[in-house]
Amino acid sequence: QKEVEQDPGPLSVPEGAIVSLNCTYSNSAFQYFMWYRQYSRKGPELLMYTYSSGNKEDGRFTAQVDKSSKYISLFIRDSQPSDSATYLCAMNPRENTDKLIFGTGTRLQVFP
Amino acid sequence: GAGVSQTPSNKVTEKGKYVELRCDPISGHTALYWYRQSLGQGPEFLIYFQGTGAADDSGLPNDRFFAVRPEGSVSTLKIQRTERGDSAVYLCASSLLGGGNVETQYFGPGTRLLVL
Repeated sequence: QKEVEQDPGPLSVPEGAIVSLNCTYSNSAFQYFMWYRQYSRKGPELLMYTYSSGNKEDGRFTAQVDKSSKYISLFIRDSQPSDSATYLCAMNPRENTDKLIFGTGTRLQVFP
Repeated sequence: GAGVSQTPSNKVTEKGKYVELRCDPISGHTALYWYRQSLGQGPEFLIYFQGTGAADDSGLPNDRFFAVRPEGSVSTLKIQRTERGDSAVYLCASSLLGGGNVETQYFGPGTRLLVL
């Protein structure tokens, strides 16, 4: 079993829809939670990161963490075709390392 | 300013050959990371440098893989006796401080390695 599980999709939605992307994890040592976006043939770029349980909002994006359930989510409001990409959750266990553990990534397609 | 750059962008080699992949981090960034991304998968951690030293090399799959960062800037990932299973995109990232600070890792575009 992988430490971080993420549905690979693909997820196809119409423009303007609310998108929900999710990851579950098994390691309770994970303390920092990130969402990266990766366009085709590009490196990942950080969208948001959170530390504690709860919600964090940034424009059309909301990140949610539930440590008790080991479950994190990213919501995208008013989705745009330019949001079409692969979304990767990533976690950092601390423990004297800065490495990130990534999910498989969910491929999102927003059609006009 | 310039982001993380990686060369070559694509590399095709034959099974058993030796390859070197280069990463130029963002200027002034202390921490440098190597990840490997197979098709349809998320990046998988390989090694992390804090300055010139490898702070965590727990992700290197075997002794065919080796990485250096002799002057604390440019890093080279070296793969000996390549195997077809080494085919993947090799991603490099850098961050300003590392060392336990929560900060953004900035990724390069990757080197696509194909072992025939």
